[in-house]
Amino acid sequence: GQQVMQIPQYQHVQEGEDFTTYCNSSTTLSNIQWYKQRPGGHPVFLIQLVKSGEVKKQKRLTFQFGEAKKNSSLHITATQTTDVGTYFCAGASGSARQLTFGSGTQLTVLP
Amino acid sequence: NAGVTQTPKFQVLKTGQSMTLQCAQDMNHNSMYWYRQDPGMGLRLIYYSASEGTTDKGEVPNGYNVSRLNKREFSLRLESAAPSQTSVYFCASSEAAGTNYGYTFGSGTRLTVV
Repeated sequence: GQQVMQIPQYQHVQEGEDFTTYCNSSTTLSNIQWYKQRPGGHPVFLIQLVKSGEVKKQKRLTFQFGEAKKNSSLHITATQTTDVGTYFCAGASGSARQLTFGSGTQLTVLP
Repeated sequence: NAGVTQTPKFQVLKTGQSMTLQCAQDMNHNSMYWYRQDPGMGLRLIYYSASEGTTDKGEVPNGYNVSRLNKREFSLRLESAAPSQTSVYFCASSEAAGTNYGYTFGSGTRLTVV
């Protein structure tokens, strides 16, 4: 079945440093979504990318979808303590009716 | 507040006991999902309901049953709980079936089976 791999599994950064998490699929994706889960909380939808090479920004967060639609990245500029949490990508291929989630990247921001 | 409501928030079961996790959404969404979350394994789909009256197996359906009671409610039942079912369970909903819509998640049920 479809697999969505996410790296790194953990990342510790000093406040103010940048952070990037990567998502790779074994198959071409029709779209990709990103979610954030705060410690002890539930996943919250951030954004969806659909087009090859698409780039979207939300304040300090930049999301990219690869040209081949097999990979994606989330980049946070100048991290803040409020960015702490686990970031998940989720994608689907072809006619799949549900998303496959990556295993997530747990971000710790040290003050 | 509009959203997805799950009950209970916490539960401890003994091996072999049964229980039903409840989920309701008030966003008039057509599709609903049950996921389990285990450390290092992300979110794994147990069952989903693309629309009222339909249910389908996900990646890890064994040991679970579901009921789409109406458009708002989607319950998950453990008939005979096992320690391997210790997990955090999330219910989610989306506007329609397919993968073009963001999911809205409930706050989760933290289940421990001893």
